[in-house]
Amino acid sequence: DTGVSQDPRHKITKRGQNVTFRCDPISEHNRLYWYRQTLGQGPEFLTYFQNEAQLEKSRLLSDRFSAERPKGSFSTLEIQRTEQGDSAMYLCASTPLGSPYEQYFGPGTRLTVT
Amino acid sequence: KQEVTQIPAALSVPEGENLVLNCSFTDSAIYNLQWFRQDPGKGLTSLLLIQSSQREQTSGRLNASLDKSSGRSTLYIAASQPGDSATYLCAVMASGTYKYIFGTGTRLKVLA
Repeated sequence: DTGVSQDPRHKITKRGQNVTFRCDPISEHNRLYWYRQTLGQGPEFLTYFQNEAQLEKSRLLSDRFSAERPKGSFSTLEIQRTEQGDSAMYLCASTPLGSPYEQYFGPGTRLTVT
Repeated sequence: KQEVTQIPAALSVPEGENLVLNCSFTDSAIYNLQWFRQDPGKGLTSLLLIQSSQREQTSGRLNASLDKSSGRSTLYIAASQPGDSATYLCAVMASGTYKYIFGTGTRLKVLA
């Protein structure tokens, strides 16, 4: 059994570049969440999908951020024109059908913007 | 707006001590409260989930209580071990949503 996987685990980029992260949820989990965690803080909700539909987006998700889950399986989170303030750990979580409270988290993608 | 606060922010104890971590939240309209563990640079591992109708949950040396009306939860760790060293995060799921609101965590260090 594989848990939630995220790729890459670490990304260093220069300010102004675009980056894309991928999350593969646990098989047949219908909900997928993205959170962002900055150093010394708890994770903050960004957005979530139920199957391929994006149902909620946080105000934290500026126009430079876009997330997709095209076939209701894996998801991508893209950040355009990265800024130093985007440096954070980006966490993905998924939940099984019928059990929305059980969020299983992936290992995260650590983004550093220089 | 739901806010979650955890105290203390950091804690260092000798091995074998029993300890209590505190979590408070401002809005009592919640589905559940969950305690997570996070090791440095890693994702989150769920420890205990307490539904809004429950008062406590236990798993091994861990016991979590919930007092929804007062907006408080505690995580009790018995006979602490160096392997318990990690950041402990409290999170609440507000009624009507499916997202968690997290506290800033308690960084625990258990000294051998």
